[in-house]
Amino acid sequence: DGGITQSPKYLFRKEGQNVTLSCEQNLNHDAMYWYRQDPGQGLRLIYYSQIVNDFQKGDIAEGYSVSREKKESFPLTVTSAQKNPTAFYLCASSPQRELDTLYFGPGTRLTVT
Amino acid sequence: SQKIEQNSEALNIQEGKTATLTCNYTNYSPAYLQWYRQDPGRGPVFLLLIRENEKEKRKERLKVTFDTTLKQSLFHITASQPADSATYLCALDEDTGNTGKLIFGQGTTLQVKP
Repeated sequence: DGGITQSPKYLFRKEGQNVTLSCEQNLNHDAMYWYRQDPGQGLRLIYYSQIVNDFQKGDIAEGYSVSREKKESFPLTVTSAQKNPTAFYLCASSPQRELDTLYFGPGTRLTVT
Repeated sequence: SQKIEQNSEALNIQEGKTATLTCNYTNYSPAYLQWYRQDPGRGPVFLLLIRENEKEKRKERLKVTFDTTLKQSLFHITASQPADSATYLCALDEDTGNTGKLIFGQGTTLQVKP
C-alpha cells in the first residue's frame, strides 16, 4: 500500500513545547515538502527538500526546523519560537527534483493552547 | 513575486450544470499550472496539469484552459454532481526557473446541489 503517511492526525500541545510531526513516503520520491494551511488561506510553503541531506526554506520557515536523513522521511519540528503554530500541516512528495505534481499526505491538525 | 488569486466566494450550482472556476496570476506566465481538489480535513489531490503551450486539457468531465495573455486559467466541471462538492486549488511554480516551489491559491469552494 503505497503513499504518504502523516501521524498523528490530531496533535495537542501546550504553548512553549516543541513538537515534531512525522511524514513518511514509500513512493521512492526525491522531493518532499511541508505546507501549512490556515482557514481561508492558501497553502504556504514551510520547507522543502529535493534530495537527501539537503533542504531549503520556504516562505514561512521561521519557528520551524526539518531534517532529511532518509529519502522516505521528512519530519517537521514546530518550535516554541513559532508564534502561531495552531494550523493544519500537510506533507507532500514529488517524483523528481524538478517540480512535478505533488502527492499529499492526509495532514496533521496541530492545536497549541 | 508571483501571486495567485482565486474567487474566495463559494460557488453554488445545480446538479447537471457546468461549474467554472477561475484562477488568475499576477506576474510572469508559468511553465505550467496545476489544479487540485481538497475535501474538508484531507490533503489536496492532483487533478490536472496544463503547460503554457497548451490551450486546453481535458480529463473525463474536467476541462482546464490556460490563457497566458489574460494570465488566467479556467477550470470547468461539466454535468456536475453533488460528489464534486469540494474546494479546488490552483497552483504554479513560484519562479520562472522551475525552483521546485509550488504556490497555491486560497481555493474556491464548490457546492453542487441535487
